Amino acid sequence: GDSVTQMEGPVTLSEEAFLTINCTYTATGYPSLFWYVQYPGEGLQLLLKATKADDKGSNKGFEATYRKETTSFHLEKGSVQVSDSAVYFCALLPLAGNQFYFGTGTSLTVIP
Amino acid sequence: DTGVSQDPRHKITKRGQNVTFRCDPISEHNRLYWYRQTLGQGPEFLTYFQNEAQLEKSRLLSDRFSAERPKGSFSTLEIQRTEQGDSAMYLCASSLAGTKNEQYFGPGTRLTVT
Repeated sequence: GDSVTQMEGPVTLSEEAFLTINCTYTATGYPSLFWYVQYPGEGLQLLLKATKADDKGSNKGFEATYRKETTSFHLEKGSVQVSDSAVYFCALLPLAGNQFYFGTGTSLTVIP
Repeated sequence: DTGVSQDPRHKITKRGQNVTFRCDPISEHNRLYWYRQTLGQGPEFLTYFQNEAQLEKSRLLSDRFSAERPKGSFSTLEIQRTEQGDSAMYLCASSLAGTKNEQYFGPGTRLTVT
């Protein structure tokens, strides 16, 4: 079935460090792929998305590229800030489905 | 604020009691989704509505759970005879049909069953 496997945390980085959070997926066909972010006490917010192979989603300095050949959608940011501290969820939406499949989330803490 | 809202934000109840949560979607959104998130896990799909019709239900949604969206606007999720295993964050999301990629989430209702 459809599923997402996400890099386990927690991850602690110093400000301005490079961030990578790995995400791989299993799905039939061509799902859409997403990264959501959840700040403390808040709901999930869409960070970025990609709907077809080789698409790159980007927002707020974060990027992720839809890699069909490696079934991956790794999240990257070149220079993290304290305000990026949150839990990050990778998710997929099957081509013919209406429900999201989420990874388990990766907690990121950025220290000054 | 025109986002998805949920009420209450927190609910503590004793095992065996019934609880009801409410979700108000973004006003022009005709699709509404319920998810459950347990500690350390990602959200899991429970059910979704298009307008007032409940179109899909997960096998996670046992007989003790019922969801309604009577007028195609707000939705309620009721859990009867709560169990400790029901303790979780219950998330609501909404979207426009045809733009199913864009699901907007509410802040969630945290349920604790003692």
